[in-house]
Amino acid sequence: EVQLVQSGAEVKKPGESLKISCKGSGYSFTSYWIAWVRQMPGKGLEWMGIIHPGDSDTRNTPSFQGQVTISADKSISTAYLQWSSLKASDTAMYYCARIGSGWTLQHWGQGTLVTVSS
Amino acid sequence: EIVLTQSPGTLSLSPGERATLSCRASQSVSNYLAWYQQKPGQAPRLLIYGASSRATGIPDRFSGSGSGTDFTLTISRLEPEDFAVYYCQQYGSSPYTFGQGTKLEIK
Repeated sequence: EVQLVQSGAEVKKPGESLKISCKGSGYSFTSYWIAWVRQMPGKGLEWMGIIHPGDSDTRNTPSFQGQVTISADKSISTAYLQWSSLKASDTAMYYCARIGSGWTLQHWGQGTLVTVSS
Repeated sequence: EIVLTQSPGTLSLSPGERATLSCRASQSVSNYLAWYQQKPGQAPRLLIYGASSRATGIPDRFSGSGSGTDFTLTISRLEPEDFAVYYCQQYGSSPYTFGQGTKLEIK
C-alpha cells in the first residue's frame, strides 16, 4: 500500500526557519515525482512545486520560486519543504502528494498544518 | 498560466439527485484535466484523470467529460458521502493549476 506520512503540526514565529517532511513507503520512492500543495485557511489548492527523488530534479511554480525550497533524501525515502524566514502569510496546510497518471496527484499525505504567528 | 474557473461556487442538492459541476480553462488543456474531492479535515482524493478516466476505487456514479477548455464532472445519484468540495486541476501546461472549487452541499 502506498503511504505518504507527513511530519506533525508546527507553530512558528515570523522570521523563523522550518523544514517539514513527507516519508513515502509501499512503492519505489525514487521512481515517482512528489508534489507539494498549499491550502491556506478556508481556501483552495495551490500547486507549489515538484521533485523527482531519484535525481532531485526540482520544478517550482513561479509564484513560489525563491519562497520555499523543495528537496529529497532518497536514502530515507523522504521529501522536504523548507522556509528560511517564515511570514504570517505562510500559515496554511501543506500536503505532499505522489504523482500518478500524467501530472495528477494520485496519493496524498495527511497534511502538515503550519501556523506562523507572533 | 492557465486559469481554471469552476461553476457554480456552491451547489445545493438532495441525496439521490444528479450533480453537474463545470470547469472552464482559459486556454486549451486537451484532455489533461483531473477532478478531486475534498471532505472537511481530509486530504483531497483523486476522482478523475484524463478528463474522463476514473481513478482506482472510484464508484461509477462519478463521470467526467469534456476536452479543450470545457469540462464537466457528473455525479449521477448523490450519496450522503458525496457532499464535499470538488476541484479541477489542469496538467496540460506548467505551472499546473487548480480551479477555485465547487462546494456541493445538502439541500
